[in-house]
Amino acid sequence: EVQLVESGGGLVQPGGSLRLSCAASGFTFSSYSMNWVRQAPGKGLEWLSYITSTGSAIYYADSVKGRFTISRDNAKNSVYLQMNSLRDEDTAVYYCAKSKTYYFDSWGQGTLVTVSS
Amino acid sequence: EIVLTQSPATLSLSPGERATLSCRASQSVSSSLAWYQQKPGQAPRLLIYDASNRATGIPARFSGSGSGTDFTLTISSLEPEDFAVYYCQQRSNWPPNFGGGTKVEIK
Repeated sequence: EVQLVESGGGLVQPGGSLRLSCAASGFTFSSYSMNWVRQAPGKGLEWLSYITSTGSAIYYADSVKGRFTISRDNAKNSVYLQMNSLRDEDTAVYYCAKSKTYYFDSWGQGTLVTVSS
Repeated sequence: EIVLTQSPATLSLSPGERATLSCRASQSVSSSLAWYQQKPGQAPRLLIYDASNRATGIPARFSGSGSGTDFTLTISSLEPEDFAVYYCQQRSNWPPNFGGGTKVEIK
C-alpha cells in the first residue's frame, strides 16, 4: 500500500522559512515523479511543484517560483519542500502527491503551514 | 493558463439519486482531464483520469466522459459516502491546475 507522510508544518512569521518533508513507502520511490500541492483554508487545490524521479527536471508554479525549492533523496525515499520568504497567503495545508503522468494518484494526509505574526 | 470552470458549485441530492457534475475548460485539453474526490479533513483521492478511466479501486458507479472542453463526472446512484467535494484537473497544458470544485451535499 502506498503511504505518503508529510511533516514539518507549523506556525511561522511572515518572511520566515520552513522545510517540509514527505516520507514515502509501499512503492518504488525512485521510479516516480513527485509533487507538492496546497490548499488554503476553505479553498481549492493549487499545484506548486514537480520533480522527476531522478531530480533532473523541476518545475514550479509562478506563485512560489524563486521562494520555494523542491528536492528529493531517493536513498531516504523522501521528497522535500524548502519554503523561504513566506507570506500570509502561503497559509495552507501542504500535500505531497505521487505522479501518474501529471495526474496525482496518491496523496499524503497533509501538513498545515500557518504564516502569521 | 487553462481555466477550469466547474458547475454547479453545490449539488443537493438524496442518496440513490444520480449526480451529474460538469467541468468546462477555457481551451481544449483533449482527454487529459482527471476527477478527484475530497471529504472533509481528508486528502483528495483520484477517481478518474484521461477523462474516462477509473482509477484503481474506484467503484463502477463513478464514470467520466467528455473531451476537448466539456467534461462530465457522473455518479449513477449516490451512496452516503459519496457526499464530498469533487475537483477536476487538467494536465494538457503546463501548469497542471484544478477547477474550483463542486460540493455534493445531502438534500
